[in-house]
Amino acid sequence: SQQGEEDPQALSIQEGENATMNCSYKTSINNLQWYRQNSGRGLVHLILIRSNEREKHSGRLRVTLDTSKKSSSLLITASRAADTASYFCATDESNFGNEKLTFGTGTRLTIIP
Amino acid sequence: ETGVTQTPRHLVMGMTNKKSLKCEQHLGHNAMYWYKQSAKKPLELMFVYSLEERVENNSVPSRFSPECPNSSHLFLHLHTLQPEDSALYLCASSPLGRGANYGYTFGSGTRLTVV
Repeated sequence: SQQGEEDPQALSIQEGENATMNCSYKTSINNLQWYRQNSGRGLVHLILIRSNEREKHSGRLRVTLDTSKKSSSLLITASRAADTASYFCATDESNFGNEKLTFGTGTRLTIIP
Repeated sequence: ETGVTQTPRHLVMGMTNKKSLKCEQHLGHNAMYWYKQSAKKPLELMFVYSLEERVENNSVPSRFSPECPNSSHLFLHLHTLQPEDSALYLCASSPLGRGANYGYTFGSGTRLTVV
């Protein structure tokens, strides 16, 4: 069953602007992860945030997690044309680490040069 | 290359054919997964192999048959498929362990078209 839901479904911004995507989920989690997918390709792991963390940074990426609201956000700063892709959140609910990752439907991000 | 290799990249098969998808990783991971990605749908987890044992089968039709002969290789055997099975099939691998906090490594996928 679907766990995460990304919002918005699609987002278009000008190059150089910041892009924010949100993810909501339903059950308690061990961690939440964000992935990127270029058209027709496999997913690439971007960042993982544990359930006891509230914010994490990696380069131009900033992820927040609010377990009380069961939500997360992914911020991409100073966007580039190469950031055009679909972005997915995924939640790990398993009792034994990492055995079941459930993905949302994704946000399609388009960066306009 | 991500370290997870899927072959073939593209496959067109008739409904009466039998074919197999292959996935290979040499990352030392001990869990492997098959996901199905259809247009406008969330990724669907099909099968999970943990330490070469199948631990999850999300009610996948029997026309899909997985095989994991060792921790580095994963197959998805296909037979008598339907047109609605056309999709991108993704293989992934990950380390395992209680409290593990690792991302999955995905292959580039096999684009399957059933005619």
